[in-house]
Amino acid sequence: DVVMTQTPPSLSVAIGQSVSISCKSSQSLVYSDGKTYLHWLLQSPGRSPKRLIYQVSNLGSGVPDRFSGTGSQKDFTLKISRVEAEDLGVYYCAQTTHFPLTFGSGTKLEIK
Amino acid sequence: VQLVESGGGLVQPGKSLKLSCSASGFTFSSYGMHWIRQAPGKGLDWVAYISSSSGTVYADAVKGRFTISRDNAKNTLYLQLNSLKSEDTAIYYCARRDFYWGQGVMVTVSS
Repeated sequence: DVVMTQTPPSLSVAIGQSVSISCKSSQSLVYSDGKTYLHWLLQSPGRSPKRLIYQVSNLGSGVPDRFSGTGSQKDFTLKISRVEAEDLGVYYCAQTTHFPLTFGSGTKLEIK
Repeated sequence: VQLVESGGGLVQPGKSLKLSCSASGFTFSSYGMHWIRQAPGKGLDWVAYISSSSGTVYADAVKGRFTISRDNAKNTLYLQLNSLKSEDTAIYYCARRDFYWGQGVMVTVSS
Protein backbone atom coordinates (compact mmCIF):
# COMPACT_ATOMS: atom_id res chain seq x y z
CA ASP A 1 0.00 0.00 0.00
CA VAL A 2 1.10 3.57 -0.66
CA VAL A 3 1.97 5.32 2.60
CA MET A 4 1.12 9.02 2.72
CA THR A 5 3.24 10.97 5.21
CA GLN A 6 1.67 14.31 6.04
CA THR A 7 3.30 17.06 8.12
CA PRO A 8 2.90 18.88 10.38
CA PRO A 9 0.15 17.17 12.40
CA SER A 10 -1.11 20.51 13.61
CA LEU A 11 -0.75 24.23 12.95
CA SER A 12 -1.84 27.30 14.87
CA VAL A 13 -1.89 30.44 12.77
CA ALA A 14 -3.16 33.97 12.94
CA ILE A 15 -5.65 35.36 10.49
CA GLY A 16 -3.84 36.67 7.43
CA GLN A 17 -0.80 34.43 7.79
CA SER A 18 0.26 31.90 5.18
CA VAL A 19 0.88 28.22 5.87
CA SER A 20 2.13 25.15 4.03
CA ILE A 21 1.35 21.47 4.54
CA SER A 22 3.58 18.73 3.17
CA CYS A 23 2.54 15.32 1.87
CA LYS A 24 5.04 12.68 0.78
CA SER A 25 4.12 9.35 -0.75
CA SER A 26 6.07 6.09 -0.57
CA GLN A 27 5.61 5.54 -4.31
CA SER A 28 5.27 7.75 -7.35
CA LEU A 29 1.68 8.91 -7.84
CA VAL A 30 1.98 9.25 -11.62
CA TYR A 31 -0.62 7.01 -13.26
CA SER A 32 -0.20 5.22 -16.58
CA ASP A 33 -2.17 8.02 -18.27
CA GLY A 34 0.52 10.50 -17.22
CA LYS A 35 -1.68 12.24 -14.66
CA THR A 36 -0.95 12.48 -10.95
CA TYR A 37 -3.93 11.68 -8.73
CA LEU A 38 -3.01 13.53 -5.55
CA HIS A 39 -5.76 15.52 -3.91
CA TRP A 40 -6.24 17.78 -0.91
CA LEU A 41 -9.35 17.71 1.28
CA LEU A 42 -10.62 19.89 4.11
CA GLN A 43 -12.84 18.50 6.83
CA SER A 44 -14.36 21.40 8.72
CA PRO A 45 -15.61 20.63 12.27
CA GLY A 46 -18.66 18.36 12.19
CA ARG A 47 -18.70 18.24 8.40
CA SER A 48 -17.85 15.73 5.71
CA PRO A 49 -14.61 16.17 3.77
CA LYS A 50 -14.62 18.66 0.93
CA ARG A 51 -12.33 18.55 -2.10
CA LEU A 52 -10.04 21.58 -2.25
CA ILE A 53 -7.44 20.61 -4.83
CA TYR A 54 -7.49 17.74 -7.30
CA GLN A 55 -4.68 16.27 -9.40
CA VAL A 56 -1.99 18.20 -7.52
CA SER A 57 -2.84 21.75 -8.50
CA ASN A 58 -6.39 22.11 -9.82
CA LEU A 59 -8.69 24.20 -7.67
CA GLY A 60 -12.00 22.58 -6.79
CA SER A 61 -15.28 24.24 -7.63
CA GLY A 62 -15.93 27.26 -5.44
CA VAL A 63 -12.58 27.02 -3.66
CA PRO A 64 -10.91 30.41 -3.21
CA ASP A 65 -7.60 31.00 -4.95
CA ARG A 66 -5.91 31.50 -1.58
CA PHE A 67 -5.44 27.73 -1.80
CA SER A 68 -2.79 26.30 -4.10
CA GLY A 69 -1.17 22.94 -4.63
CA THR A 70 2.21 22.05 -6.04
CA GLY A 71 4.44 19.03 -6.37
CA SER A 72 5.24 15.99 -8.45
CA GLN A 73 6.03 12.29 -8.26
CA LYS A 74 6.20 11.72 -4.47
CA ASP A 75 6.42 15.19 -2.91
CA PHE A 76 3.46 17.57 -2.64
CA THR A 77 2.55 20.78 -0.85
CA LEU A 78 -0.66 22.61 -0.05
CA LYS A 79 -0.29 26.34 0.57
CA ILE A 80 -2.90 28.55 2.13
CA SER A 81 -2.25 32.26 1.64
CA ARG A 82 -3.92 34.79 3.93
CA VAL A 83 -5.62 32.30 6.26
CA GLU A 84 -9.22 33.13 7.16
CA ALA A 85 -11.30 31.93 10.11
CA GLU A 86 -13.33 29.61 7.86
CA ASP A 87 -10.17 27.67 6.98
CA LEU A 88 -10.01 25.90 10.33
CA GLY A 89 -10.37 22.14 10.29
CA VAL A 90 -8.38 19.06 9.34
CA TYR A 91 -6.60 18.91 6.00
CA TYR A 92 -5.92 15.55 4.35
CA CYS A 93 -3.93 14.58 1.31
CA ALA A 94 -5.21 11.57 -0.61
CA GLN A 95 -3.95 9.49 -3.50
CA THR A 96 -6.25 7.76 -5.98
CA THR A 97 -3.53 6.55 -8.35
CA HIS A 98 -3.14 3.16 -6.72
CA PHE A 99 -5.55 0.78 -5.02
CA PRO A 100 -6.08 0.75 -2.11
CA LEU A 101 -6.67 4.49 -1.93
CA THR A 102 -4.75 5.96 0.97
CA PHE A 103 -4.85 9.17 2.95
CA GLY A 104 -2.45 11.24 4.98
CA SER A 105 -3.04 11.27 8.72
CA GLY A 106 -4.27 14.85 8.63
CA THR A 107 -3.14 18.33 9.64
CA LYS A 108 -5.31 20.15 12.14
CA LEU A 109 -5.37 23.89 11.46
CA GLU A 110 -6.32 26.09 14.38
CA ILE A 111 -6.77 29.84 14.35
CA LYS A 112 -4.89 31.82 17.00
CA VAL B 1 -23.58 17.23 -7.40
CA GLN B 2 -25.47 15.83 -4.44
CA LEU B 3 -24.86 12.56 -2.62
CA VAL B 4 -27.11 11.51 0.26
CA GLU B 5 -26.35 8.41 2.34
CA SER B 6 -28.90 6.47 4.35
CA GLY B 7 -29.38 3.13 6.10
CA GLY B 8 -27.02 3.49 9.03
CA GLY B 9 -27.76 2.61 12.63
CA LEU B 10 -26.91 0.44 15.61
CA VAL B 11 -26.32 -3.23 14.83
CA GLN B 12 -25.01 -6.19 16.83
CA PRO B 13 -21.69 -7.86 15.99
CA GLY B 14 -22.09 -10.53 13.34
CA LYS B 15 -25.22 -8.93 11.88
CA SER B 16 -25.79 -7.18 8.57
CA LEU B 17 -26.71 -3.72 7.30
CA LYS B 18 -27.21 -2.17 3.88
CA LEU B 19 -26.23 1.42 3.15
CA SER B 20 -27.56 3.47 0.25
CA CYS B 21 -26.23 6.58 -1.45
CA SER B 22 -28.67 8.52 -3.60
CA ALA B 23 -26.99 10.58 -6.31
CA SER B 24 -28.29 13.62 -8.19
CA GLY B 25 -27.01 16.56 -10.21
CA PHE B 26 -24.83 14.49 -12.53
CA THR B 27 -24.95 11.47 -14.83
CA PHE B 28 -24.53 8.77 -12.18
CA SER B 29 -23.96 5.93 -14.64
CA SER B 30 -20.85 7.65 -16.04
CA TYR B 31 -18.91 7.77 -12.78
CA GLY B 32 -17.06 5.33 -10.59
CA MET B 33 -17.99 5.61 -6.92
CA HIS B 34 -16.23 5.00 -3.60
CA TRP B 35 -17.24 4.14 -0.06
CA ILE B 36 -14.89 5.64 2.52
CA ARG B 37 -15.26 5.46 6.29
CA GLN B 38 -14.05 7.37 9.32
CA ALA B 39 -13.99 5.81 12.77
CA PRO B 40 -14.84 8.20 15.63
CA GLY B 41 -12.00 10.68 16.09
CA LYS B 42 -9.86 8.97 13.45
CA GLY B 43 -8.73 9.58 9.89
CA LEU B 44 -10.14 8.48 6.55
CA ASP B 45 -10.16 4.81 5.52
CA TRP B 46 -11.07 3.71 2.00
CA VAL B 47 -13.51 0.78 1.85
CA ALA B 48 -14.51 -0.06 -1.71
CA TYR B 49 -14.83 1.19 -5.28
CA ILE B 50 -17.18 0.38 -8.14
CA SER B 51 -16.46 1.55 -11.67
CA SER B 52 -19.02 2.86 -14.13
CA SER B 53 -19.02 -0.61 -15.68
CA SER B 54 -19.52 -2.22 -12.23
CA GLY B 55 -16.02 -3.57 -11.73
CA THR B 56 -15.25 -3.66 -8.00
CA VAL B 57 -12.23 -3.32 -5.69
CA TYR B 58 -12.19 -3.78 -1.90
CA ALA B 59 -9.95 -2.96 1.01
CA ASP B 60 -8.45 -6.08 2.57
CA ALA B 61 -10.20 -5.34 5.88
CA VAL B 62 -13.66 -5.76 4.33
CA LYS B 63 -13.04 -8.20 1.48
CA GLY B 64 -15.46 -11.10 1.67
CA ARG B 65 -17.72 -9.28 4.15
CA PHE B 66 -18.82 -6.11 2.30
CA THR B 67 -20.32 -5.84 -1.17
CA ILE B 68 -20.51 -2.64 -3.20
CA SER B 69 -23.12 -2.40 -5.95
CA ARG B 70 -25.01 0.16 -7.99
CA ASP B 71 -28.40 0.62 -9.65
CA ASN B 72 -27.97 3.15 -12.44
CA ALA B 73 -31.73 3.24 -13.11
CA LYS B 74 -32.25 4.45 -9.54
CA ASN B 75 -29.10 6.61 -9.40
CA THR B 76 -28.16 4.77 -6.24
CA LEU B 77 -24.98 3.26 -4.82
CA TYR B 78 -25.11 0.53 -2.19
CA LEU B 79 -22.86 -1.07 0.39
CA GLN B 80 -23.94 -4.38 1.91
CA LEU B 81 -22.17 -4.91 5.23
CA ASN B 82 -22.15 -8.51 6.55
CA SER B 83 -20.47 -10.16 9.53
CA LEU B 84 -20.04 -6.78 11.15
CA LYS B 85 -17.33 -6.25 13.76
CA SER B 86 -16.90 -3.55 16.38
CA GLU B 87 -14.02 -2.13 14.35
CA ASP B 88 -16.44 -1.39 11.50
CA THR B 89 -18.01 1.34 13.65
CA ALA B 90 -17.60 4.54 11.65
CA ILE B 91 -19.21 7.23 9.59
CA TYR B 92 -19.56 5.86 6.06
CA TYR B 93 -19.28 8.32 3.19
CA CYS B 94 -19.99 7.76 -0.46
CA ALA B 95 -17.83 9.78 -2.81
CA ARG B 96 -17.72 10.24 -6.55
CA ARG B 97 -14.55 9.10 -8.31
CA ASP B 98 -13.28 12.70 -8.37
CA PHE B 99 -13.96 13.15 -4.65
CA TYR B 100 -17.27 14.88 -4.30
CA TRP B 101 -18.50 13.56 -0.91
CA GLY B 102 -21.83 12.92 0.72
CA GLN B 103 -22.64 13.98 4.28
CA GLY B 104 -22.08 10.48 5.67
CA VAL B 105 -24.09 7.97 7.68
CA MET B 106 -23.17 6.51 11.07
CA VAL B 107 -22.82 2.76 11.58
CA THR B 108 -22.37 1.55 15.16
CA VAL B 109 -21.56 -2.10 15.80
CA SER B 110 -22.15 -2.98 19.43
CA SER B 111 -23.96 -5.51 21.57
